[in-house]
Amino acid sequence: NAGVMQNPRHLVRRRGQEARLRCSPMKGHSHVYWYRQLPEEGLKFMVYLQKENIIDESGMPKERFSAEFPKEGPSILRIQQVVRGDSAAYFCASSPQQGNGYTFGSGTRLTVV
Amino acid sequence: DQQVKQNSPSLSVQEGRISILNCDYTNSMFDYFLWYKKYPAEGPTFLISISSIKDKNEDGRFTVFLNKSAKHLSLHIVPSQPGDSAVYFCAASGGRGGSEKLVFGKGTKLTVNP
Repeated sequence: NAGVMQNPRHLVRRRGQEARLRCSPMKGHSHVYWYRQLPEEGLKFMVYLQKENIIDESGMPKERFSAEFPKEGPSILRIQQVVRGDSAAYFCASSPQQGNGYTFGSGTRLTVV
Repeated sequence: DQQVKQNSPSLSVQEGRISILNCDYTNSMFDYFLWYKKYPAEGPTFLISISSIKDKNEDGRFTVFLNKSAKHLSLHIVPSQPGDSAVYFCAASGGRGGSEKLVFGKGTKLTVNP
């Protein structure tokens, strides 16, 4: 019973490069959520996806950020042309159905240099 | 505008004593509240939750109290143990027809001294 798996754990990108963050939900979970935590801040909601559908992307920046959760494979959070302000911890969570108290992964720490 | 506020960035208590972590919220549409515990370099771990129809929920050493009129909730840990040292996040959900996104506070770093 593996938990929510995120990879890589640490990612370093130069300004202007692309960052791809992966999230494999817990077995049997079809709902995925992405959150971002800036230094000294709480977690901020970014996007909520079900298989092949984006349910709520109200927290996603309008440009450079996209997310997908394909029928097969992990959920991907993609950040194009990264800037220093994108440096943060990105957490993925999953749940078996729409509801609260979902399970978080250990996060991906993105550093933009 | 911060809808969930944890006004104490840190709290230090002695082992065996009670830890009280506080959280205030502004959105009256929130109907479900959760506490998460987070260790460095790990993801948040769900601790305890409470629905707005209740004013208290207890699970072992952890009790959450909800005061809807004051838009305030608190987490009590008794007795506190050194392993409880972590950052505690208050979170809330609800509104907009039951949106499942959580709104988090900035966290309170609890240190339990042996």
